[in-house]
Amino acid sequence: DTAVSQTPKYLVTQMGNDKSIKCEQNLGHDTMYWYKQDSKKFLKIMFSYNNKELIINETVPNRFSPKSPDKAHLNLHINSLELGDSAVYFCASSPGPTGTVYEQYFGPGTRLTVT
Amino acid sequence: GENVEQHPSTLSVQEGDSAVIKCTYSDSASNYFPWYKQELGKRPQLIIDIRSNVGEKKDQRIAVTLNKTAKHFSLHITETQPEDSAVYFCAASGAGSYQLTFGKGTKLSVIP
Repeated sequence: DTAVSQTPKYLVTQMGNDKSIKCEQNLGHDTMYWYKQDSKKFLKIMFSYNNKELIINETVPNRFSPKSPDKAHLNLHINSLELGDSAVYFCASSPGPTGTVYEQYFGPGTRLTVT
Repeated sequence: GENVEQHPSTLSVQEGDSAVIKCTYSDSASNYFPWYKQELGKRPQLIIDIRSNVGEKKDQRIAVTLNKTAKHFSLHITETQPEDSAVYFCAASGAGSYQLTFGKGTKLSVIP
């Protein structure tokens, strides 16, 4: 039973293309996140959704657009890909939102390579 | 916003020795402090966490201590084993916040 799943696992594409990464969680959690992990391993929050509603939107280029069709799914669409977008993108989920922060469960990651 | 500093960035220890990783945070309202372990090519996974109403928590060879006054918390791993080799991240989150702010990670190498 995969708790948080992402597809695809690897994504290689050229500059200027548009791509999407999908995330699904079967834990019944209310909150989902997207993180970017760069080559130096730094984990940076990009977006967070709670019950399909955007609650965190860090300083991320407009080319990145999250979409949450329901509380079990959070997809990430990236337009006009640039070399600097190459990274590992992690989806995560956590229970909430009662004002108490809980453990975040991470997906396996999507390694995006832009050439 | 919250800022989390983590030291050291790399740490090498002999198998069987102890390892200590330290983090400081800036927001005095932060009240949740998890530690994640990320093995090479894998996802980050929670190994232990502590809330601000507790000073210390242990789980077998792993312990976390929290000093709210000084705004720092530490991860202690005793009797290290080669499988402890990984990148460890500390994080902090404030009251009512959905957001975890992560430290920059510590690459721990346990030498057999």
